Amino acid sequence: DQQVKQNSPSLSVQEGRISILNCDYTNSMFDYFLWYKKYPAEGPTFLISISSIKDKNEDGRFTVFLNKSAKHLSLHIVPSQPGDSAVYFCAALLNFGNEKLTFGTGTRLTIIP
Amino acid sequence: DAGVIQSPRHEVTEMGQEVTLRCKPISGHNSLFWYRQTMMRGLELLIYFNNNVPIDDSGMPEDRFSAKMPNASFSTLKIQPSEPRDSAVYFCASSLLLGMGTGELFFGEGSRLTVL
Repeated sequence: DQQVKQNSPSLSVQEGRISILNCDYTNSMFDYFLWYKKYPAEGPTFLISISSIKDKNEDGRFTVFLNKSAKHLSLHIVPSQPGDSAVYFCAALLNFGNEKLTFGTGTRLTIIP
Repeated sequence: DAGVIQSPRHEVTEMGQEVTLRCKPISGHNSLFWYRQTMMRGLELLIYFNNNVPIDDSGMPEDRFSAKMPNASFSTLKIQPSEPRDSAVYFCASSLLLGMGTGELFFGEGSRLTVL
């Protein structure tokens, strides 16, 4: 059973527009959420995170929103750039201080020039 | 600074053969993770070590899989005997747990395994 779900395997967005990637989770005990970005033939790299006590975290063009009641988080990229084309993984930590990350299946984002 | 180093980058083998994947974590990091990436399940945690001690191996699929970390700078993931369903990309990652793990792992480039 997949505790972290990314229901959209792929997403295409025009350059300059907003990209919204979604993630749902089932375990209400998850304490910390992260997004990782992965280019082909490379390992995933950390992008942005959010604690369960917050509902928004912003870092430049990237913003993560958390809706605990809906067990849903999203990553917004504004404006989208060609270099953002990659696979994005949502991940969750069961409790702060634990390093066992549970990942989703990933969403492939393609930015169309 | 050198990142996490994995070898081999690609491995093609026949069913039944033994496969050994290797990982050198970032110097100074005290936690090491082995993940497997498949289309169906995304990134699955197989096992992780803290200070060379296995902490959680609940993700190891079956007895055919084993992992060791003999010292702070080296780990292996072994599959014996290998099966076609083991075909995947295997990632090693490391982190420095300062008592407050934040999930910020540093991944290697992965080892793509194909079992024929």
